[in-house]
Amino acid sequence: QKEVEQNSGPLSVPEGAIASLNCTYSDRGSQSFFWYRQYSGKSPELIMFIYSNGDKEDGRFTAQLNKASQYVSLLIRDSQPSDSATYLCAVNIYGNQFYFGTGTSLTVIP
Amino acid sequence: AAGVIQSPRHLIKEKRETATLKCYPIPRHDTVYWYQQGPGQDPQFLISFYEKMQSDKGSIPDRFSAQQFSDYHSELNMSSLELGDSALYFCASSLARGVGEQYFGPGTRLTVT
Repeated sequence: QKEVEQNSGPLSVPEGAIASLNCTYSDRGSQSFFWYRQYSGKSPELIMFIYSNGDKEDGRFTAQLNKASQYVSLLIRDSQPSDSATYLCAVNIYGNQFYFGTGTSLTVIP
Repeated sequence: AAGVIQSPRHLIKEKRETATLKCYPIPRHDTVYWYQQGPGQDPQFLISFYEKMQSDKGSIPDRFSAQQFSDYHSELNMSSLELGDSALYFCASSLARGVGEQYFGPGTRLTVT
C-alpha cells in the first residue's frame, strides 16, 4: 500500500463548476499535508498546505483535512481552463521526508 | 521573489557515465530535498539535507550521492548511469521551522542513452 493514494482520474468538470480532489494517507502520524499543481513537464507548484483538522480557504481553493478518517481534499471553486493540470497530494510523515500521491489529472472544459 | 535554481536544465549522458546536478535553494531556506520523477509518475523522494547534514533518505540508489555545501547549495552525483535513470530531477527547498512547505525548482531533465 502506498503511503499516499489519489484517484488518478482523469477528472473533467465544466468551466465555473467546483472540482473536488481527494487524497488518503496511511500513516496516522502524518504531520502536514500539501497540494501541488503540476503542468506537464513543469515542476510542482505549491497551492496550499494544511496541518489542522478542518477547512482552510485561499481564494478559489479550499483544503479540507480529516485526520480521523485520514483524508485530505482540495476543492477548486469557479474552475477555469487554466486550472487544467495534475494535482499532487503530498504528506510529511516525519522529519524531512515527504510522500507524494500519483496525482489526479483535472481537465476544465470551456 | 527568488526561486530555487537548478542546473543544468537538460543533460544527456551515455550509460555508465556520471552526472552532477546542482541546486541553489531559496535564500535563507535551510532544507533541501531531491526528487526523481519518471514519465507519468509521482515525484519519488531521494534524499534531504538540513543545515548541511543529511536529514532523511528515501529511495536513492547506492550509485547516487548528494551533499549540501556551506552556502546551502546542494549537488546530486550520479554514477554508472543506467537507462532507467532517465527522468526529471527536482530540487526543492524549505524552512525547517515552518510547516515544511517545499518550493520546487524547474528541474533537470536527464536523458541516458
